[in-house]
Amino acid sequence: DAGVTQSPTHLIKTRGQQVTLRCSPKSGHDTVSWYQQALGQGPQFIFQYYEEEERQRGNFPDRFSGHQFPNYSSELNVNALLLGDSALYLCASSRGRRGLGDTQYFGPGTRLTVL
Amino acid sequence: KNQVEQSPQSLIILEGKNCTLQCNYTVSPFSNLRWYKQDTGRGPVSLTIMTFSENTKSNGRYTATLDADTKQSSLHITASQLSDSASYICVVMTGYSTLTFGKGTMLLVSP
Repeated sequence: DAGVTQSPTHLIKTRGQQVTLRCSPKSGHDTVSWYQQALGQGPQFIFQYYEEEERQRGNFPDRFSGHQFPNYSSELNVNALLLGDSALYLCASSRGRRGLGDTQYFGPGTRLTVL
Repeated sequence: KNQVEQSPQSLIILEGKNCTLQCNYTVSPFSNLRWYKQDTGRGPVSLTIMTFSENTKSNGRYTATLDADTKQSSLHITASQLSDSASYICVVMTGYSTLTFGKGTMLLVSP
């Protein structure tokens, strides 16, 4: 049983570009949450998708958007990249209707570097 | 403002020794507290989760305690191994809607 998978593993972009990160949830999970983790910091909640809709959102600007597909996989899009967007982006999947209250399983993350 | 403070920021111990990591929180209303282990460059892995009514929970050599009155939690690691070297993150949930993460304690187990 594959756990949460994310792609790509690493990514380098320049300021102003756009990026798309992908996540496949653990088998049987229907909810995907995205987090940004800056170096030396704890993860910060970006948003959560359930039933192909954004259910909750953290304190992130509209440059951060997402999508969930019928197979529960998800994408995180970031437009107009800033140097400060450099971070490890984590995807977590869960099953159930309790939102962030469900036990979340994290993927390995995508390391984004903005130059 | 909901906050989770962890101490120490970093810790070096010898292999085979025990250690205790601390987590203090100011979160309301409290729902549960989780400890995660995060290897460098990897996603966090859940170690324990405790609700208000639980004051201790073990997962192998990891034992977490919770004092809901003082809003403190600790993670005790017994007979440390080199593979325990990682960041340990304390996460507190309010109701079902918000997760507040600590910055983590970086543990290095030295041979």
